Amino acid sequence: AQKVTQAQTEISVVEKEDVTLDCVYETRDTTYYLFWYKQPPSGELVFLIRRNSFDEQNEISGRYSWNFQKSTSSFNFTITASQVVDSAVYFCALRDEGGSEKLVFGKGTKLTVNP
Amino acid sequence: NAGVTQTPKFRILKIGQSMTLQCAQDMNHNYMYWYRQDPGMGLKLIYYSVGAGITDKGEVPNGYNVSRSTTEDFPLRLELAAPSQTSVYFCASSTGFSNQPQHFGDGTRLSIL
Repeated sequence: AQKVTQAQTEISVVEKEDVTLDCVYETRDTTYYLFWYKQPPSGELVFLIRRNSFDEQNEISGRYSWNFQKSTSSFNFTITASQVVDSAVYFCALRDEGGSEKLVFGKGTKLTVNP
Repeated sequence: NAGVTQTPKFRILKIGQSMTLQCAQDMNHNYMYWYRQDPGMGLKLIYYSVGAGITDKGEVPNGYNVSRSTTEDFPLRLELAAPSQTSVYFCASSTGFSNQPQHFGDGTRLSIL
């Protein structure tokens, strides 16, 4: 069965610190897709990034970067020079290949960035 | 662009009451989903639909029903509300292609007392 584990329940940092959110996944599929979503205090879910299993290149978008390593089944998310506006719950998710295309979510990591 | 619209945003129900959570999308997506989010947990799939007239159960379907008469709408019905159904409900839609993200509505916060 597919599974996503986000071992860090809550993280608290001071503004301008770098922070890494961990995501470990389990799947038997050889082709799969991973996602990160952000849920700010207002409650909506915001799509951040998608990664295909056959593309192991790391990706950077501004202060955000993602490290995908198939060897360790991890898809970690780093925020550089964190800001108060980064405070949110971050979810890692795995796309199910069973036909429903549903997302299997981790339990989320709550990030608090203090001024 | 409206995207995925959920109504209502908040609702309080009494035990045993019924209600329908509405979800509409204007992106012509074939796939639609209902998830629930409990405190400290990720989202769990309730029901999904791969097109008009086609629905199927997810992980936690008990106590819920859905229908999909049009591409745009995917309502979720609670027949006999129970305290265990207190949650935040999210509707999502996607093209159905694996490499495309799901787009989520803003959620409906439902309390059953």
